[in-house]
Amino acid sequence: AQSVAQPEDQVNVAEGNPLTVKCTYSVSGNPYLFWYVQYPNRGLQFLLKYITGDNLVKGSYGFEAEFNKSQTSFHLKKPSALVSDSALYFCAVRDGDSWGKLQFGAGTQVVVTP
Amino acid sequence: DVKVTQSSRYLVKRTGEKVFLECVQDMDHENMFWYRQDPGLGLRLIYFSYDVKMKEKGDIPEGYSVSREKKERFSLILESASTNQTSMYLCATGAASFYGYTFGSGTRLTVV
Repeated sequence: AQSVAQPEDQVNVAEGNPLTVKCTYSVSGNPYLFWYVQYPNRGLQFLLKYITGDNLVKGSYGFEAEFNKSQTSFHLKKPSALVSDSALYFCAVRDGDSWGKLQFGAGTQVVVTP
Repeated sequence: DVKVTQSSRYLVKRTGEKVFLECVQDMDHENMFWYRQDPGLGLRLIYFSYDVKMKEKGDIPEGYSVSREKKERFSLILESASTNQTSMYLCATGAASFYGYTFGSGTRLTVV
């Protein structure tokens, strides 16, 4: 069965510093991986996805993620964090069946301080 | 852009009430999903549907049922609400050939 782990409940970073949110996964077959962001009292917004191809995926709002097959990781990164990046971030992996179900991690709260 | 609309942002219901949460999409997506979100647990799949009148149980279906009479509408039903169903409920849609979801804004349900 597919699973996703986000080892950090919270990441604290100063504005302007690099931001990394960690994600590891376990799948059978080829992984389809996603990052979503959630602002307070809102639904989830899509940031980026890895399906195949280049290991470095670029997404919305200046975020990127690096797929590492040997380490089964898909860490989210941003070179210079903004206070407005403070939110809850979810990593997800697509289920292997044909219905496209996503399995989500527990989420990582990012706090960016001025 | 795909729009996914959940009928209520905040809802307060009493224990034992029958509760309906509605989700409507304005695109022709085959797949629709209901998740609940709880702190520290992430999103857990309750039910999903891949076609009209079709439904499949997710990871935590107990205490819930669903209805999909039209392609654009997917309803989550709490037959007899209980306090442990207090949660944020999120609806999502996706085309069968699309890798990923579009989410509604969520309904925060409180059962008292």
